[in-house]
Amino acid sequence: AQSVTQLGSHVSVSEGALVLLRCNYSSSVPPYLFWYVQYPNQGLQLLLKYTSAATLVKGINGFEAEFKKSETSFHLTKPSAHMSDAAEYFCAVSDNAGNMLTFGGGTRLMVKP
Amino acid sequence: ETGVTQSPTHLIKTRGQQVTLRCSSQSGHNTVSWYQQALGQGPQFIFQYYREEENGRGNFPPRFSGLQFPNYSSELNVNALELDDSALYLCASSLPPGQRYNEQFFGPGTRLTVL
Repeated sequence: AQSVTQLGSHVSVSEGALVLLRCNYSSSVPPYLFWYVQYPNQGLQLLLKYTSAATLVKGINGFEAEFKKSETSFHLTKPSAHMSDAAEYFCAVSDNAGNMLTFGGGTRLMVKP
Repeated sequence: ETGVTQSPTHLIKTRGQQVTLRCSSQSGHNTVSWYQQALGQGPQFIFQYYREEENGRGNFPPRFSGLQFPNYSSELNVNALELDDSALYLCASSLPPGQRYNEQFFGPGTRLTVL
């Protein structure tokens, strides 16, 4: 069975500050890992994905994440937060690309001016 | 390229009723997955359809059922609605399971409210 834990249901940063959203996973097989963003009243948009290639993954809108097997982590970062980054972020794991996704509980990112 | 579309956008039902939600997959995708997202929670996998057959199911009771049509569109049916079924229902389409660079593309969702 797979699971995802996102530490911190709410994260608040100032505009221009570093964004760090934490994700730890559990998987009995080599995982595929994903970060999705959800804006109010919208579906999910893929930010980035890890599929066993490079451990540092770059995504859209300046986000990146690093896969650390020893720590079973896949934290999402962005050097400088923008107001437009305010949204809900979900980390997800799959045992195979295109198969069922197991999501974490989500982290709401708030960006202060 | 047309993205994933879902209908209706919003729906209000009462307990005990039945509901059908619809999803059209992105062009070129033949696999459809359904997720339930309760308020304040992450999405939970309901089931996946590939080649018009169920290809994996999450921890949902049999009153949640689905169909996939030859044009790859899909329906989610829920019978005997309960208050806890109130949620955002998300549909995602993808290439066949197992392809390394696969990913799921999500629609905007259907907001179901059960009174």
